[in-house]
Amino acid sequence: EPEVTQTPSHQVTQMGQEVILRCVPISNHLYFYWYRQILGQKVEFLVSFYNNEISEKSEIFDDQFSVERPDGSNFTLKIRSTKLEDSAMYFCASRERGGPYFGPGTRLTVL
Amino acid sequence: RKEVEQDPGPFNVPEGATVAFNCTYSNSASQSFFWYRQDCRKEPKLLMSVYSSGNEDGRFTAQLNRASQYISLLIRDSKLSDSATYLCVVNRGAAGNKLTFGGGTRVLVKP
Repeated sequence: EPEVTQTPSHQVTQMGQEVILRCVPISNHLYFYWYRQILGQKVEFLVSFYNNEISEKSEIFDDQFSVERPDGSNFTLKIRSTKLEDSAMYFCASRERGGPYFGPGTRLTVL
Repeated sequence: RKEVEQDPGPFNVPEGATVAFNCTYSNSASQSFFWYRQDCRKEPKLLMSVYSSGNEDGRFTAQLNRASQYISLLIRDSKLSDSATYLCVVNRGAAGNKLTFGGGTRVLVKP
């Protein structure tokens, strides 16, 4: 069964450093998402991506964040200068028409 | 009013019993609805889409009430493995590509 994959599974970084989280969505899917979940809190929408551009973004997704689909298979989330409060689980998701399928997540720890 | 609201629970359910819970949404233009389950520190997994006419998948039944703006999930013959957090997800509409999660309802099935 096709699945969304994410790397790395855990990333530890120093405050102020840049991180890139990587995702490979399911191959025939057209819509891509990044969500995050701070420990013990709800899943929060960050950004959606369709037809090679951002279609929606939340207020969390400020200038420190960017997304790219560099080569037709990968989908990346970059955080330019990480803050302590960016520590969370970051989930990538993709969908064709129905509900999105989520990857296993990258746990980001900012020290 | 929150965009998507759920009773956080926990719902303590004897094994074999039936449990049901709702999710309310505030945006009447919402077009599509989904139930996910999330196990501790794991990604959300799509359980089922929710259709206007209601739908059933094995022991799980989902209903949509557009007039009162809520969806429901009923689990029959609860199994220990049904213990999880159930997340309600609402898609704002055809032009929107933002799926909003509720905070989740925790269900604990006990022997």
